[in-house]
Amino acid sequence: DQQVKQNSPSLSVQEGRISILNCDYTNSMFDYFLWYKKYPAEGPTFLISISSIKDKNEDGRFTVFLNKSAKHLSLHIVPSQPGDSAVYFCAASNSNSGYALNFGKGTSLLVTP
Amino acid sequence: GAGVSQSPRYKVAKRGQDVALRCDPISGHVSLFWYQQALGQGPEFLTYFQNEAQLDKSGLPSDRFFAERPEGSVSTLKIQRTQQEDSAVYLCASANLAGGPIYEQYFGPGTRLTVT
Repeated sequence: DQQVKQNSPSLSVQEGRISILNCDYTNSMFDYFLWYKKYPAEGPTFLISISSIKDKNEDGRFTVFLNKSAKHLSLHIVPSQPGDSAVYFCAASNSNSGYALNFGKGTSLLVTP
Repeated sequence: GAGVSQSPRYKVAKRGQDVALRCDPISGHVSLFWYQQALGQGPEFLTYFQNEAQLDKSGLPSDRFFAERPEGSVSTLKIQRTQQEDSAVYLCASANLAGGPIYEQYFGPGTRLTVT
């Protein structure tokens, strides 16, 4: 069963606007969350992460928000740029049961000029 | 520095053939992971090594899948008697225990396996 869900397969945003990508999870034991970005024919590239002891982590144009009670996290990209067009994967891990990452199915982001 | 490299990038195998996929992790990374990504899905965990020790192989889908990392650096994922359902991209990732959270894994470009 899918423990990490990205319910929006695709998202289109205008350049300069905010992109918000959402992710839900079902396993309350997850304590570390990550976002990866993937271009075609390349492997996923680590973007940003957050520990369950925090509710926000910011790195430049990228901010991840974690709402543990709702088992929900989101990635905000501000301002969006055409080079941000890629597939974004949400991933989660439980430090007590190994280091495997559990991935969502991904959201394809298109930033239009 | 060099990232994670994988070879071959593309592999076509006839059903029943054995294949071997290679991963060269980032130099100095003690942790190495294999994932399988089917079309339209996210990567799914297969197995994990710390140095040469295979600490978790819970994600390997059948006993036809075997992974090794004999000297704690290069790893090989072997699939015996390939089946059509094995068609996927196989991703290798490495992580530096000393340099940051192990969850921040760095991925190679993947090997796209097509079984005909």
